[in-house]
Amino acid sequence: GDSVTQMEGPVTLSEEAFLTINCTYTATGYPSLFWYVQYPGEGLQLLLKATKADDKGSNKGFEATYRKETTSFHLEKGSVQVSDSAVYFCALAPYNTNAGKSTFGDGTTLTVKP
Amino acid sequence: DAGVTQSPTHLIKTRGQQVTLRCSPKSGHDTVSWYQQALGQGPQFIFQYYEEEERQRGNFPDRFSGHQFPNYSSELNVNALLLGDSALYLCASSHSPGSIRTGELFFGEGSRLTVL
Repeated sequence: GDSVTQMEGPVTLSEEAFLTINCTYTATGYPSLFWYVQYPGEGLQLLLKATKADDKGSNKGFEATYRKETTSFHLEKGSVQVSDSAVYFCALAPYNTNAGKSTFGDGTTLTVKP
Repeated sequence: DAGVTQSPTHLIKTRGQQVTLRCSPKSGHDTVSWYQQALGQGPQFIFQYYEEEERQRGNFPDRFSGHQFPNYSSELNVNALLLGDSALYLCASSHSPGSIRTGELFFGEGSRLTVL
């Protein structure tokens, strides 16, 4: 079945540092890929998405590129802020079906220190 | 524009009891999915409702059941509670299957269930 593997956390960075959170997936067909973020005390929010190979999703300075050859969707940000401290989840949804049946990774906790 | 709302936010039950959790989807959404999130893990898909029918189901026993109402709101019912059912239960709404925007899930803040 489908699966998503994220780099283990927690990750602690200083403000303005470069961020990479690795995500690889296993799926049949051509899934859509997502990053969700969960800020303290809040629900999960969609951060960015990509629906086909080589697509780049971006939002709030975060980027991720759909790499079919390496089955990866790594999250990057050039300069993190304290406000980026949160739990980040990589997820996939089966191709051409709705995202209701999404498969999530276990999340990576990011702490950014001033 | 109201987002996804869930109730109750916290509840405590004992083994063997039954629980009902409620969810109202984001305005404009007609599809509701339920997820279970154990501590330190990602959300696990329970099932999805569209047009008042269960459309997809994850690997959860029949003790987990649901319902969707004509106004698109939904309930999750869990019977014969076990200690292992303690988790955060998340409701997510989305556009209907086949919609170009169906890939975007909007989550509520969840219902924290503790089974003693």
